[in-house]
Amino acid sequence: GAGVSQSPSNKVTEKGKDVELRCDPISGHTALYWYRQSLGQGLEFLIYFQGNSAPDKSGLPSDRFSAERTGGSVSTLTIQRTQQEDSAVYLCASRVNGGPKEDTQYFGPGTRLTVL
Amino acid sequence: AQTVTQSQPEMSVQEAETVTLSCTYDTSESDYYLFWYKQPPSRQMILVIRQEAYKQQNATENRFSVNFQKAAKSFSLKISDSQLGDAAMYFCAYRNRGAQKLVFGQGTRLTINP
Repeated sequence: GAGVSQSPSNKVTEKGKDVELRCDPISGHTALYWYRQSLGQGLEFLIYFQGNSAPDKSGLPSDRFSAERTGGSVSTLTIQRTQQEDSAVYLCASRVNGGPKEDTQYFGPGTRLTVL
Repeated sequence: AQTVTQSQPEMSVQEAETVTLSCTYDTSESDYYLFWYKQPPSRQMILVIRQEAYKQQNATENRFSVNFQKAAKSFSLKISDSQLGDAAMYFCAYRNRGAQKLVFGQGTRLTINP
């Protein structure tokens, strides 16, 4: 596609439920990132995927958070047993590997998660 | 760890005038990238301009330009001939060349007055 897409756009869930957020990167981009944007913490890095390498999970805030990337393309961020502090906008970004723009991350529109 | 500071939570400017948004950062690295992203109410983070630390020349993109002062660790964004469509949150971001994650500032909300 033309840009990074994310679904759903908005998600409301009850405390304790599991949620899955989806990201479709730009075609041909091998690097994929998840960030969280919340009022109290600003924009925080969560996880990074590059090709078939092991992901960098150093930003995941707890073991309730996990992510996978299937076939080197689509990624799913899963939050188990959601808590109210998980309410935030979850942003996905992708980046091409190589070329003059390889340092630039391109972002999707985000998923706004609200935990009641 | 690297940090990015945007000291202006909010700024406003009259349409067609010039405004400068401030950003400072803290790093011990010498090779890195700096970015300004714009986030309108639609939430989409849009790249405005990027700067490579090893390049002394300031980056420009049409009405947008930066003042990169490496020794002072300062990276301000100048918007000339401000337009109503420039209204948004602006985030300054940093990335080490050898690292992957972006480190963001807290953002500056820019309002354009007609």
